[in-house]
Parts: sequence; C-alpha cells; structure tokens
Amino acid sequence: KAGVTQTPRYLIKTRGQQVTLSCSPISGHRSVSWYQQTPGQGLQFLFEYFSETQRNKGNFPGRFSGRQFSNSRSEMNVSTLELGDSALYLCASSIGAELMNTEAFFGQGTRLTVV
Amino acid sequence: AQKITQTQPGMFVQEKEAVTLDCTYDTSDQSYGLFWYKQPSSGEMIFLIYQGSYDEQNATEGRYSLNFQKARKSANLVISASQLGDSAMYFCAMRAVLGAGGTSYGKLTFGQGTILTVHP
Repeated sequence: KAGVTQTPRYLIKTRGQQVTLSCSPISGHRSVSWYQQTPGQGLQFLFEYFSETQRNKGNFPGRFSGRQFSNSRSEMNVSTLELGDSALYLCASSIGAELMNTEAFFGQGTRLTVV
Repeated sequence: AQKITQTQPGMFVQEKEAVTLDCTYDTSDQSYGLFWYKQPSSGEMIFLIYQGSYDEQNATEGRYSLNFQKARKSANLVISASQLGDSAMYFCAMRAVLGAGGTSYGKLTFGQGTILTVHP
C-alpha cells in the first residue's frame, strides 16, 4: 500500500512568486490536511479538506489556499511569496470518516525556500 | 481550544534502556485522539502510536507504548530498549473526534517536540 506522496520534495522560489505543492493521500483516505513547520513556530495547521470541501482552516493569510480533487489528491498554493514562507510543508492523510478518529499519516514534506 | 505541552526540550538515554517522553494536553472536546510522531533529520513525520480518549487500555505498538492517564490529561510515550536509530525529534499531537462537535476536527495540534538522543 503506497504511503502519502508529496511533490516536489524541494523548491526554491523568489519573493513575489507563487508556488503549488501537491499531496496524494493513501488510497481510500478522503481527508488531507496541511501543516507548516518552521523552527520558530513549530507545526501549524493550515487547512483540512474532505471530499473536495475545506472543513477547517488555520490562522494563515489568504495568500495560502488549497483545494482537493475528486480522487482526494490535494494541492496547496501560496501566492506572493515572502521570505517568512520558507518552511517544511507537510500533508497528512486520514480516512476522515465521521465519529471516528483514526491515525493520520504524513508525507515526506516539501521544503520550500524563498530567496 | 486544544493545547499540547511537551516540557522536555531534550532527552538523553543509553542504548537498550527505556525512556519516557512526557506529554500533557488540554482540551474541551469530549472525544479526542492522541498521537505520537517521530521526525528524523530528514523531515518526514513517522506515525508511531495512537490512543483514543475512549480506549480503556493503553496503546502499544512494538517497542512503543502510550501511558494514557485521562484524569491527569497526560499521554506519555514510553520507548523500551532504545536503539541508536531512535535518535530524532518526537512530537505529541491531538485531534478532536470528527462529529463530536466543535470546529477542531481534521486539525492536529502539536506540542513543541522533544529531541531524543540515544547514546551507544
């Protein structure tokens, strides 16, 4: 059974550019959530998608957006990049069923560097 | 709101010995799950163990066990027979059970992590 796949693994962008990160969850998992990890702020929740709908959102500016496709794959977009957006971006995959808390598995992450 | 506290920034253990990593939590959710993850220097978050708030028995997964004390709101990770490969950052996290109400579903709240170093 394939794990969670995040692409690309590494990315270098210039301030002001935009970037799109991709996450393919485990087969059968319908929930994908995204996290930003920085040395100063730790792991912070960005948003969660389930069946193509955003169910929850963290406290990030509108430059951070996401979407989920019918095959449960998710993309995260950051527009007008700032130096402070340099971070490891992780996505987590869960079954996501109601009234059922289950394990969440992470991908290897995308390390974004903004210069 | 949910909060996870890991009070040990760093821990050291001798190879083959057991070590306990502390985690306390705070939440107003009635049903929730508690997680431990290992993050080596490569950055990948590796799932270790899960405990539901409604589970009466402590979770175990191989050399990992979760010492769950609901009344004290603690969910400590015990690693038995430490190995050199266990050296990594360890995160405790929690998530509300979906459908139990509130708006924290789908969101994992993490602690600040504990760096574990295993000495030979």
